[in-house]
Amino acid sequence: NAGVTQTPKFQVLKTGQSMTLQCAQDMNHNSMYWYRQDPGMGLRLIYYSASEGTTDKGEVPNGYNVSRLNKREFSLRLESAAPSQTSVYFCASSEDLAVLYEQYFGPGTRLTVT
Amino acid sequence: AQSVTQLGSHVSVSEGALVLLRCNYSSSVPPYLFWYVQYPNQGLQLLLKYTSAATLVKGINGFEAEFKKSETSFHLTKPSAHMSDAAEYFCAVSGGGTASKLTFGTGTRLQVTL
Repeated sequence: NAGVTQTPKFQVLKTGQSMTLQCAQDMNHNSMYWYRQDPGMGLRLIYYSASEGTTDKGEVPNGYNVSRLNKREFSLRLESAAPSQTSVYFCASSEDLAVLYEQYFGPGTRLTVT
Repeated sequence: AQSVTQLGSHVSVSEGALVLLRCNYSSSVPPYLFWYVQYPNQGLQLLLKYTSAATLVKGINGFEAEFKKSETSFHLTKPSAHMSDAAEYFCAVSGGGTASKLTFGTGTRLQVTL
């Protein structure tokens, strides 16, 4: 039982390049989330998926797209990376979107855009 | 609208001393409140949550927090710090029923010294 896994762990991109961050969970959770963490700003929600087949914007969706590939997997895509997207990205999952259900976080992807 | 303020970005305590991490919130509706811990190079892990039942909430690793509506506070405490408590701690508030409405504070880094 690996919980929430993310790949890659580290990535360096040049401005304008694209990439996809992968996330998978093995807890049979319905809801999944993508956050970014920046120094002094806490975590901010980028996109979330309440259940398989649905996705919605969070607080900071600009410059990102997501795909809920199946119940297990939720990917985050940067089409044209910008230095402002340098951050640590966390994927999380929970049994349901209701806030009372605990969110389980992956170990994060550290992305640098030069 | 909702927000959370964590007073003190860095707190240092001696091993065995009381740990007190401060969190104040604002919410236009009765809030759900959370404390998360993040160990170095890991994702966030839920410590405890307040869901309008008991005002004193006990969590993992000996931590507890008290909801004080009159002071709009949800401070985190632990009677005796251990070296393994060194981490970053995040307070979060949700004024709605869904995890997509979770707002995180900017975090407090706890240092524990011998």
